[in-house]
Amino acid sequence: GEDVEQSLFLSVREGDSSVINCTYTDSSSTYLYWYKQEPGAGLQLLTYIFSNMDMKQDQRLTVLLNKKDKHLSLRIADTQTGDSAIYFCAESIEGYSTLTFGKGTMLLVSP
Amino acid sequence: GAVVSQHPSRVICKSGTSVKIECRSLDFQATTMFWYRQFPKQSLMLMATSNEGSKATYEQGVEKDKFLINHASLTLSTLTVTSAHPEDSSFYICSAFSSRGTSGGARTGELFFGEGSRLTVL
Repeated sequence: GEDVEQSLFLSVREGDSSVINCTYTDSSSTYLYWYKQEPGAGLQLLTYIFSNMDMKQDQRLTVLLNKKDKHLSLRIADTQTGDSAIYFCAESIEGYSTLTFGKGTMLLVSP
Repeated sequence: GAVVSQHPSRVICKSGTSVKIECRSLDFQATTMFWYRQFPKQSLMLMATSNEGSKATYEQGVEKDKFLINHASLTLSTLTVTSAHPEDSSFYICSAFSSRGTSGGARTGELFFGEGSRLTVL
């Protein structure tokens, strides 16, 4: 079955870069996403990448995809305290309709 | 941009009562909506897929009679937790799929999430 794995916790200092990693098992995955969840709130889509891409950059966010290893990472440059949240990696086979989520990585940014 | 609204955002109820949570797509029509449950410090668990005008498709292990889902219109899906018990206390999140048509045989579009509803059953 489908499975998405993430490390549970990451702590960084303000101004450093954060790298959140994710692995998935379904080789049929065509869309891979990163969502951000702040306490008591819903999910906010940060970025997504198609499986035929290796990298996508969007301002402070860089997504790297290693399709061979089924490894996805999210790099946040110049991490700010407002970036503290839980980050979920998710994958789907077709566009957006059914997502499989990882357990989420809690990012804690200290001043 | 597209917005999905959930109501209520917080609800506290007594054990044995039923609670209804609404999920509305505010500026687009959503033929498909999804309901998730999130336990503290855990991921989102898909409970069911709700299609407008038809019965919801429930994931394995989710009780259909316990979690009633109605998708009566293209902009509204409701989740009713019937005879709620303390173990039903959780954070429930809905999402709505805004379709852009098909590409290469696959549906394309965007998924928007509601802000979630915190249910506490005493």
